[in-house]
Amino acid sequence: QKEVEQNSGPLSVPEGAIASLNCTYSDRGSQSFFWYRQYSGKSPELIMSIYSNGDKEDGRFTAQLNKASQYVSLLIRDSQPSDSATYLCAASNTNAGKSTFGDGTTLTVKP
Amino acid sequence: EAQVTQNPRYLITVTGKKLTVTCSQNMNHEYMSWYRQDPGLGLRQIYYSMNVEVTDKGDVPEGYKVSRKEKRNFPLILESPSPNQTSLYFCASSLRGWRGSDNYGYTFGSGTRLTVV
Repeated sequence: QKEVEQNSGPLSVPEGAIASLNCTYSDRGSQSFFWYRQYSGKSPELIMSIYSNGDKEDGRFTAQLNKASQYVSLLIRDSQPSDSATYLCAASNTNAGKSTFGDGTTLTVKP
Repeated sequence: EAQVTQNPRYLITVTGKKLTVTCSQNMNHEYMSWYRQDPGLGLRQIYYSMNVEVTDKGDVPEGYKVSRKEKRNFPLILESPSPNQTSLYFCASSLRGWRGSDNYGYTFGSGTRLTVV
């Protein structure tokens, strides 16, 4: 079992819809969780970090964490074609130092 | 501009010829890390450093060396490259966060595509 697992995807949603990306982790010692976006041929860029159980909102993005279920999700509201990318979930047992990534979920937003 | 700079962007080398990929950040970040990205295997951490002279193994350290003599630089050394080290490599850096708070994630460099023949 991989330490961090994501929906295998690909995920396709129409423009304006909510895209939901999910991630589970196996190490109960994980403390910090991150969502990165990676466009094709580019490097990953950080979108959100979350530490506490519950929701954290930033613009159109909402990260959700449930430590009891070892589950992290990212919701993208009002999806735009520019959101089309691969989304990577990462978990760390301290802060960013040792971060383990999932394989990513590729999202396509269709106009 | 705040950034992580890796060089070279592309490198083709032969098996066994030692090489170094440089990484430098201008953000005064404490943490630095190296990842490799391979199709079907995702991003895997090679080494990371939480401060000058402090380095630790990630998930796939075999065949690689690192050093952190200065805060801004974190070179990746392949003493004897082999074809299975052909990959896309990313250097990344982060501010130090604190346990019990939302933490800073990594800022990534543009990547180095290495081919070992």
